[in-house]
Amino acid sequence: QSVLIQPPSASGTPGQRVTISCSGSSSNFGTNYVYWFQQFPGTAPKLLIYKNNQRPSGVPARFSASKSATSASLAISGLRSEDEADYYCAAWDDSLSGRYVFGTGTKVTVL
Amino acid sequence: EVQLAESGGGLEQPGGSLRLSCAASGFTFDDYAMHWVRQPPGGGLEWVSGISWNSDPIGYADSVKGRFTISRDSAKNTLYLQMNNLTTEDTALYYCAKSPLGQLSLDHWGQGTRVTVSS
Repeated sequence: QSVLIQPPSASGTPGQRVTISCSGSSSNFGTNYVYWFQQFPGTAPKLLIYKNNQRPSGVPARFSASKSATSASLAISGLRSEDEADYYCAAWDDSLSGRYVFGTGTKVTVL
Repeated sequence: EVQLAESGGGLEQPGGSLRLSCAASGFTFDDYAMHWVRQPPGGGLEWVSGISWNSDPIGYADSVKGRFTISRDSAKNTLYLQMNNLTTEDTALYYCAKSPLGQLSLDHWGQGTRVTVSS
């Protein structure tokens, strides 16, 4: 089971701001970067955020992220219908022998 | 353009073995760490294993440790995952993914190869 916990769902109307939380611990968020991935049905995940709050080229500025010692969040401002997807947080976890861990995933629905 | 193409998936019985391959192109394969990530039907993402640019294993998920082996062939620009003693819980879509230099993010992904373990 995942060590990063996300709400199973989030929703909003077009134009609204939606925030997704990701709860971790000091063994992952305490010393390591958080990453966010977006996945549409039937397609591979896509890197959305790296190094806590950096957007790769081509990712719109309405996607933003932040991190604290034990939690992280992804915000989508100006929600659009094409943002309807699954979103996963991820981080390296230093516990045991070290491993990369994903969050449980959040389905964002645009109402 | 970075391209990652997985192959080798299929139907296998419990206790059996499969070897997955990921053919890489569009970048200098030798310079980058690579990973395998899987996704069971209707489920979330699970990191399986990673390997550094110089073939040192980055690690394995506890669920596959001792059964799966990651490797890479620089001459063939190919990443592998040898999967032994398969169980039904290994049923998933297996993705290979590339890390950018000096980071543990996964900036490019293949389209995946499906593994089904069933009797």
